[in-house]
This record gives sequence, structure tokens and C-alpha cells, in this order.
Amino acid sequence: AQKVTQAQTEISVVEKEDVTLDCVYETRDTTYYLFWYKQPPSGELVFLIRRNSFDEQNEISGRYSWNFQKSTSSFNFTITASQVVDSAVYFCALNRYSSASKIIFGSGTRLSIRP
Amino acid sequence: DVKVTQSSRYLVKRTGEKVFLECVQDMDHENMFWYRQDPGLGLRLIYFSYDVKMKEKGDIPEGYSVSREKKERFSLILESASTNQTSMYLCASRFRQVLNEQFFGPGTRLTVL
Repeated sequence: AQKVTQAQTEISVVEKEDVTLDCVYETRDTTYYLFWYKQPPSGELVFLIRRNSFDEQNEISGRYSWNFQKSTSSFNFTITASQVVDSAVYFCALNRYSSASKIIFGSGTRLSIRP
Repeated sequence: DVKVTQSSRYLVKRTGEKVFLECVQDMDHENMFWYRQDPGLGLRLIYFSYDVKMKEKGDIPEGYSVSREKKERFSLILESASTNQTSMYLCASRFRQVLNEQFFGPGTRLTVL
């Protein structure tokens, strides 16, 4: 069975602090894809990043970075020097390569950045 | 600018009514999805469509049906709305392969009284 766990329901930090959002997944598949999406207050989910199961390189995009570790089945997301515009709900998702429809989303982490 | 649009942002219906939620994408994507989003539960897949006239049940299809007669349009139908179907409904589309990201609409917040 597949499962995605985002244990942090809500996080609140002061602007300019660094913050890490955790994502732990379960799957028996060897080939799969992991995603992060951002849902701002407007409601529309926006794609942030994709990782396939064979690519464990960490990625950095501006203030955002992602740490993928197969050994711990984790795909964590760090925001450096957070800004108020980072306030949103963030979702981690897992898609099996073998099934186009089998996409599992975590329950989301609501991030609030206080000025 | 690529877009997924949903027919309504807010909808209020009465128990027992037939409800249609419409989703249109302009990216010529093969795959389309309907999710519902509830607090603490994340997004749960209701139905998936591979392509025109092709559909597959998701994790929570009970009480819902779908229609995909044209590639750009994917409709979600609540045959007889019930109060437990009060939720946020999100539509998404994706270019055919699993590795591709989904593009989401703004959502429809449905309240069933």
C-alpha cells in the first residue's frame, strides 16, 4: 500500500527564519515519482518540484531546497529566509510509475510566516 | 498562459439535488482528475480520466459519476447530493505521462444543505 505522511499539520515561524517541511512516504514500488505542491490562499495548487526514485540528488531553487533520502523514505522541503509570501498549505505527493491514476497526497502542512 | 478553469468558485445546493461541476483545460492534456479536499485529509482522488470517454474510479467514487465527451472538458456529477459531500472540489489536468506535474483549477467550494 502507498502512503504519504506529513506529520506537521501547522507550522508558524517569524519571517526570515528557515523552516523544514517533512514528508515521509511508503511504497513497495521501485519506480515512483515524488512531488511538492503549494496551495496559496487563492486555492489553486501550484507545482514546485518532481523527483524520480532513481535520482537522489538534492535540489536547490533560490530559497527552496529539497532533500530526498530513499534510505529513510523521506522527501523534505526547506525554505531558507522565509517570507510572508511563503504562507500557504504545502502538499507532498507520490505517484507510482506503473499506474497513472495512483497518486497519493499527504494531508498537507499549513505554513504561516509572521512578519 | 496555461489554464484549468472550473465553472463555479462557490456553490450551494440542497440535499437530493443533482449537481454538475465542470472543468475545462486549454492545454490539450490527455489526463484529467477530480479530487475532493477536506481538512486533515489532504486531496483524495474521486475519478481519473485517461482520455476522452475513458475513466477510472479513484479512492472515493461512491456517490459520484463523471463524463468526458471532449478532451478539454471533464464533468463531475453528484447524482443526489448529500450533506457529507460538502467539500472543496479540485480539478486537475496532466500531459499523459506519470512523471508530469498536474495543473490545478481554483476549486469549487460546494455546500450541500
